[in-house]
Amino acid sequence: NAGVMQNPRHLVRRRGQEARLRCSPMKGHSHVYWYRQLPEEGLKFMVYLQKENIIDESGMPKERFSAEFPKEGPSILRIQQVVRGDSAAYFCASSDRTDYGYTFGSGTRLTVV
Amino acid sequence: AQSVSQHNHHVILSEAASLELGCNYSYGGTVNLFWYVQYPGQHLQLLLKYFSGDPLVKGIKGFEAEFIKSKFSFNLRKPSVQWSDTAEYFCAVRPHGNNRLAFGKGNQVVVIP
Repeated sequence: NAGVMQNPRHLVRRRGQEARLRCSPMKGHSHVYWYRQLPEEGLKFMVYLQKENIIDESGMPKERFSAEFPKEGPSILRIQQVVRGDSAAYFCASSDRTDYGYTFGSGTRLTVV
Repeated sequence: AQSVSQHNHHVILSEAASLELGCNYSYGGTVNLFWYVQYPGQHLQLLLKYFSGDPLVKGIKGFEAEFIKSKFSFNLRKPSVQWSDTAEYFCAVRPHGNNRLAFGKGNQVVVIP
């Protein structure tokens, strides 16, 4: 049973480009969460999705960031017109219900140059 | 403001020493509590969790944590650390009825052989 799969592991983008991060939850998990980790900081919640629905996006920046979890395929976190401050590790987690601790993916480390 | 506090961000100790990491939270009401570990370059893994019942929780790799409701604390302990315990440790809190985890800033633990 594969864990939470994130790709790519490392992503380098120039300022102004778009970054697209993918997350496939564990089999049977229908809840997906995205977190951002900055150096010397803990993980900050960004967005919580279920299939085809955004449940809570209160942690998402208002501009340039969007997320989706379509009926088929992985969840996507999209960052448009990236800036240097977007450089961070982005972790996806999934769960089969909201009562248990998440299973995290290995993360995507985004570097904006 | 509601928060999760982890003190002593950097901890250095020798093998066989005892480890205790503090975690305090400021959320009222019922909470679920977690400790995660992140080994260098890897994703977060669940060490242990507390939902209800015995406030002394046993986790993997010889770790345990004690929930003290009156102190809003959930401290992590290990009696005798090994070099392989070198990692970053995160405390997380999920207020009951909320779907997101709130993380502390983490403790970077280095075990010297």
